Amino acid sequence: QVQLVESGGGVVQPGRSLRLSCAASKFTFSRYAMHWVRQAPGKGLEWVAVVSDDGSNKYYADSVKGRFTISRDNAKNTQYLQMNSLRAEDTAVYYCAREAWSGGYNYMDVWGKGTTVTVSS
Amino acid sequence: SSELTQDPAVSVALGQTVRITCQGDSLRSYHASWYQQKPGQAPVLVIYAKNNRPSGIPDRFSGSSSGNTASLTITGAQAEDEADYYCNSRDSSGNLLSYVFGTGTKVTVL
Repeated sequence: QVQLVESGGGVVQPGRSLRLSCAASKFTFSRYAMHWVRQAPGKGLEWVAVVSDDGSNKYYADSVKGRFTISRDNAKNTQYLQMNSLRAEDTAVYYCAREAWSGGYNYMDVWGKGTTVTVSS
Repeated sequence: SSELTQDPAVSVALGQTVRITCQGDSLRSYHASWYQQKPGQAPVLVIYAKNNRPSGIPDRFSGSSSGNTASLTITGAQAEDEADYYCNSRDSSGNLLSYVFGTGTKVTVL
């Protein structure tokens, strides 16, 4: 079935970098915009970034703008999140999600299980 | 960025009806989608595009909206509906595309 699998999480010191990956399978990856959404421990969901289907357009939450970069490789059916200058407040489970459209409305219809990022010295 | 506000927690008796609301300015321009999240699991889409359910979501879940408020209703709540629920929409503030999630509502089935 349609699947998204995140990887790349771990423990990292403040100020360092980490790159997350999200591998897609069982659907035509290049036809869909893709999102990253995160959830800090005990907190709610926070939208992080979105990349258009062809990778030409990228948008970010204010909390990560200038530090995080979203990208994708349609040949590899994979999207990425490069996270630089990490802070303690970036500690969260990071989810990859597919954007779908219906009747002019967009929504996130497929989610991965998430990968955990812990920023700590 | 704008905000979407939800009640932190609601409770419902087994088999009864509960409505979860989501308020925010962006909902005047964009429809909300709704997500269910159980402990330790990824979110699952339950309502999209006004009042549509993905395959596999029971028809006891329904959505509606009016003005700046979107609602998710569970009619005949079951024990397995106990979870956190989040609304989401595009953010209408600012010049660049962005999205916003609601603050989340914890639903307890008694």
